[in-house]
Amino acid sequence: AQSVSQHNHHVILSEAASLELGCNYSYGGTVNLFWYVQYPGQHLQLLLKYFSGDPLVKGIKGFEAEFIKSKFSFNLRKPSVQWSDTAEYFCAVIIGTASKLTFGTGTRLQVTL
Amino acid sequence: NAGVMQNPRHLVRRRGQEARLRCSPMKGHSHVYWYRQLPEEGLKFMVYLQKENIIDESGMPKERFSAEFPKEGPSILRIQQVVRGDSAAYFCASSPLNLGQGRAGELFFGEGSRLTVL
Repeated sequence: AQSVSQHNHHVILSEAASLELGCNYSYGGTVNLFWYVQYPGQHLQLLLKYFSGDPLVKGIKGFEAEFIKSKFSFNLRKPSVQWSDTAEYFCAVIIGTASKLTFGTGTRLQVTL
Repeated sequence: NAGVMQNPRHLVRRRGQEARLRCSPMKGHSHVYWYRQLPEEGLKFMVYLQKENIIDESGMPKERFSAEFPKEGPSILRIQQVVRGDSAAYFCASSPLNLGQGRAGELFFGEGSRLTVL
């Protein structure tokens, strides 16, 4: 079955550290890729998305992600995290012509001062 | 604020009672999705509806769960005879277009309804 894997369940970083959260999917065809963030007590918000074109996608709040087709990956990066980045991050995929998003299990990021 | 309104935000029910969760999509959005979030399990797709039609209910449990999105009014997720395992956060999301049409669509989420079954 097609799936989305986020291997890091809980990440703790100090402010100013660099961040990379992994996301892998298992599907050989066309995919559309997303990263969503859920701040404590809030709704999910879109960070960035990839549909086609440049595989390096820039999103809001200094986040970026790179689509590497050969590795079936769409890792999220930020060069220097802030305390306010503490949140849960979800990778999601539209597989082929499916009309729904399939989510990974999420990564809880805790940024310490 | 994504503009998708869900209510109630918190709902407590005893085993055997019914739970009704409501979702008003963003203005102009005719595509509604329901997801369930259990601890440590991420968001699981339940159902996709377009006005008056269920398009994909492959994630809905076969019994006790139903969803509708009438021509007028909010989308409703209904859980009959709730059990403790139904305790979860239920998220609604909306979109102005069909995500499968490859037109760079995205989902806009509400703040969720947290159901607790005693």
